[in-house]
Amino acid sequence: ETGVTQTPRHLVMGMTNKKSLKCEQHLGHNAMYWYKQSAKKPLELMFVYSLEERVENNSVPSRFSPECPNSSHLFLHLHTLQPEDSALYLCASSQDRGFSQPQHFGDGTRLSIL
Amino acid sequence: GQNIDQPTEMTATEGAIVQINCTYQTSGFNGLFWYQQHAGEAPTFLSYNVLDGLEEKGRFSSFLSRSKGYSYLLLKELQMKDSASYLCAVRVSDTGRRALTFGSGTRLQVQP
Repeated sequence: ETGVTQTPRHLVMGMTNKKSLKCEQHLGHNAMYWYKQSAKKPLELMFVYSLEERVENNSVPSRFSPECPNSSHLFLHLHTLQPEDSALYLCASSQDRGFSQPQHFGDGTRLSIL
Repeated sequence: GQNIDQPTEMTATEGAIVQINCTYQTSGFNGLFWYQQHAGEAPTFLSYNVLDGLEEKGRFSSFLSRSKGYSYLLLKELQMKDSASYLCAVRVSDTGRRALTFGSGTRLQVQP
């Protein structure tokens, strides 16, 4: 139990579907992140939220749309995805105070695009 | 740009010691993290180094040389449960950048 919960754990969707990934953290942190993890590639940062404001958007296609309604919840809305978007999507949270604070990750959502 | 290199795979024997290296070239530096990730699970935090030297935490130790852009993770008394991927990540000092830049990870296989 990492204190960061992601749902669903697995998702299969067609390219025309719309779905959302959910992340909830129970650690009292004030920053949340979305990362993409593809096979044999480094984790790629997608979005960063600090105090519920988006502070970084790492050139992610508009078919990925994040939402952070409060400091405990983070969503990733998906629409018109491509096969290359199949990957593990990881959510993380941290206390945005100094550089030494580690990020705590959820178990991820394994996304498969048909 | 940012570049972080670590070996793709390593194999070691139960009870032995293994050293996983990480080299980095980044624009600015505000610390290096090591994470462990078992297959299908979340990466979990192992260590943080920002000053040169060795940080020891039980069976795991992490070393940093900022002048060489080099770090290693040392695992002693290896156990089967240590079979996992080990991720090296750097926090750069760009203004407002809170996130980490990760290497591709080293998959460690511990054999009996």
